Amino acid sequence: SQKIEQNSEALNIQEGKTATLTCNYTNYSPAYLQWYRQDPGRGPVFLLLIRENEKEKRKERLKVTFDTTLKQSLFHITASQPADSATYLCALENSGAGSYQLTFGKGTKLSVIP
Amino acid sequence: DGGITQSPKYLFRKEGQNVTLSCEQNLNHDAMYWYRQDPGQGLRLIYYSQIVNDFQKGDIAEGYSVSREKKESFPLTVTSAQKNPTAFYLCASSQGLAETQYFGPGTRLLVL
Repeated sequence: SQKIEQNSEALNIQEGKTATLTCNYTNYSPAYLQWYRQDPGRGPVFLLLIRENEKEKRKERLKVTFDTTLKQSLFHITASQPADSATYLCALENSGAGSYQLTFGKGTKLSVIP
Repeated sequence: DGGITQSPKYLFRKEGQNVTLSCEQNLNHDAMYWYRQDPGQGLRLIYYSQIVNDFQKGDIAEGYSVSREKKESFPLTVTSAQKNPTAFYLCASSQGLAETQYFGPGTRLLVL
C-alpha cells in the first residue's frame, strides 16, 4: 500500500543548530515533492518544490534534497531560530489512475529551543 | 490583496443539521480542494474540483457534498450523514491539479 512517513511527530533542537526533517515514501513515483509549513490553527504555507530530476533545492536557510532511489526527501533548516518552530508537511504529487492529487504526510512538529 | 478566504472561523453544528463552509479565492486558480485535518491524521482530501461545474471525490467524501458554480467559489456542505464532523477544515486552490497549493485560514467545526 502507499505510505508517506515523516520521521517523527516531534523534533526538538537548540537554536542555531541545523534541523533535519525526513520524508520517506513507498509505492509512489512522484514527479515532484513539496514542503509546507503550518502554524497552529492556520493553513499550511508552501515553502519549496523539488522535481524528480533535481537533487537539491535551496531557499535562504532552507535546503531540500530528493533521492528517488532511496524514496526519501530531507528538509534542512540551517541556523535555526525559535521563529522556525512549526509543523512541517511534505506532500507528494500523486497522479495514479488519472487522478492528479497532492498527498500529504502527517507532519513533523519542530520546536527550536532558545 | 490576493488570497483565499474561509468563513466562518468557528462553526457549531447541532445533531441532524447540515452546515455549509464557505471558500472564496481571487487568485484566478482553476483547481480548488477541501481537506479535513484531525490531530495526528494529517490532511485528508474530501473533494476537489479541476474546473467550474466539475468536481471529484477524494479519500473521505462520504457525508460531504460540494458545488462549483463559479470559478472563485467552492462551498462544502457537511451533511447529517457525517457522524464525526468535528475537525479543522481547510480549503486550498492551485493553478492546476497537484501543483503548489495555497490554503485558506481554515474553519473549525464543532458539534453541540
